Amino acid sequence: EAGVTQSPTHLIKTRGQQATLRCSPISGHTSVYWYQQALGLGLQFLLWYDEGEERNRGNFPPRFSGRQFPNYSSELNVNALELEDSALYLCASSLGPGDNQPQHFGDGTRLSIL
Amino acid sequence: GEDVEQSLFLSVREGDSSVINCTYTDSSSTYLYWYKQEPGAGLQLLTYIFSNMDMKQDQRLTVLLNKKDKHLSLRIADTQTGDSAIYFCAETPPSGYSTLTFGKGTMLLVSP
Repeated sequence: EAGVTQSPTHLIKTRGQQATLRCSPISGHTSVYWYQQALGLGLQFLLWYDEGEERNRGNFPPRFSGRQFPNYSSELNVNALELEDSALYLCASSLGPGDNQPQHFGDGTRLSIL
Repeated sequence: GEDVEQSLFLSVREGDSSVINCTYTDSSSTYLYWYKQEPGAGLQLLTYIFSNMDMKQDQRLTVLLNKKDKHLSLRIADTQTGDSAIYFCAETPPSGYSTLTFGKGTMLLVSP
């Protein structure tokens, strides 16, 4: 069974640009989560999608947005990039919503802002 | 409130047992998780425990939960050099929002 896949592996952008990160969940999983792992800040929850809808959002500005497609894959978009957006962005998926559904993670996209 | 704390670093010798500790403040947390992150990789789910359990064993891994003290530990028996990684403790509060709150991670270094 293929795990969670993320693309690209690395992404280099400059300040003010826009970045799009992609995630394919494990087959059969309907929930997709995005987390940011920035140096010194640890892992922080960004967004949660289930069945195409945004279910919850972390404490991030509106320039962080995303969507989930009918095939349950997801995109994370970051507009007006700032230097502090440099981080590893991790996507996770689970069978569905609910505290008893463990989240399985991909290897992440490393976003570097120059 | 939600806050998960872990010690930052642990060093052990190969073959010894490792114990990684975690404390959390949300006493209503339902599930508690342990993840492993190797350099340049994502998070690997190791194990998880429901809050009404005291202990869970899975091969070399033993999870102990003391709900009264809000303390969670992960014991790795017969630690190997391949176990060197960062270990994260995470909780899911019963908010229905299915999000994970992580500790800052414990770096485990296993020396031969």
